[in-house]
Amino acid sequence: GDSVTQMEGPVTLSEEAFLTINCTYTATGYPSLFWYVQYPGEGLQLLLKATKADDKGSNKGFEATYRKETTSFHLEKGSVQVSDSAVYFCALSDQGSGSRLTFGEGTQLTVNP
Amino acid sequence: GAVVSQHPSWVICKSGTSVKIECRSLDFQATTMFWYRQFPKQSLMLMATSNEGSKATYEQGVEKDKFLINHASLTLSTLTVTSAHPEDSSFYICSASRGGPYEQYFGPGTRLTVT
Repeated sequence: GDSVTQMEGPVTLSEEAFLTINCTYTATGYPSLFWYVQYPGEGLQLLLKATKADDKGSNKGFEATYRKETTSFHLEKGSVQVSDSAVYFCALSDQGSGSRLTFGEGTQLTVNP
Repeated sequence: GAVVSQHPSWVICKSGTSVKIECRSLDFQATTMFWYRQFPKQSLMLMATSNEGSKATYEQGVEKDKFLINHASLTLSTLTVTSAHPEDSSFYICSASRGGPYEQYFGPGTRLTVT
């Protein structure tokens, strides 16, 4: 079945540091890939997505590129802020974003001033 | 973006009792709603998918007689945990979607503690 593997956390960075959170997946066919963010006390929010190979999703300075050859969708940001502190989830869906999602384990990010 | 609410945000109940959690899409009609369970410091586990007017589809290993899901309208789905036990204590999250390529919108979650 489908699965998503994220790098183990937690991750602690200083403000303005470079962020990478690794995500790899296993799926049949050609899934859509997503990054969701969960701020403390809030529900998950879609951060970015990519629906086909080589697509790059981007939002709020975050980027991730759908790499079919390496089955990866790593999340990057060039300069993190304290307000980026949250839990980040990589996810996939093989039937569109309105269909069932398979999530990775989540990575807790803490950014210190 | 669209808004999904959950009620209550937290609940404490005694072992053996039942508790109902509501999930509402406030500004759109959701043909499909999903219920997830999240353990501390772990990922979200899909419990079931419900489509308005039809029976929910449960994931393997989820007891459908224990976790009753009703999707009675295009804006409301309910999850009832029957005969709750301490091991049912968890964070329950719903999401709602128009289905297909449309985005899922997540509720803020409900913290259930069974004593």
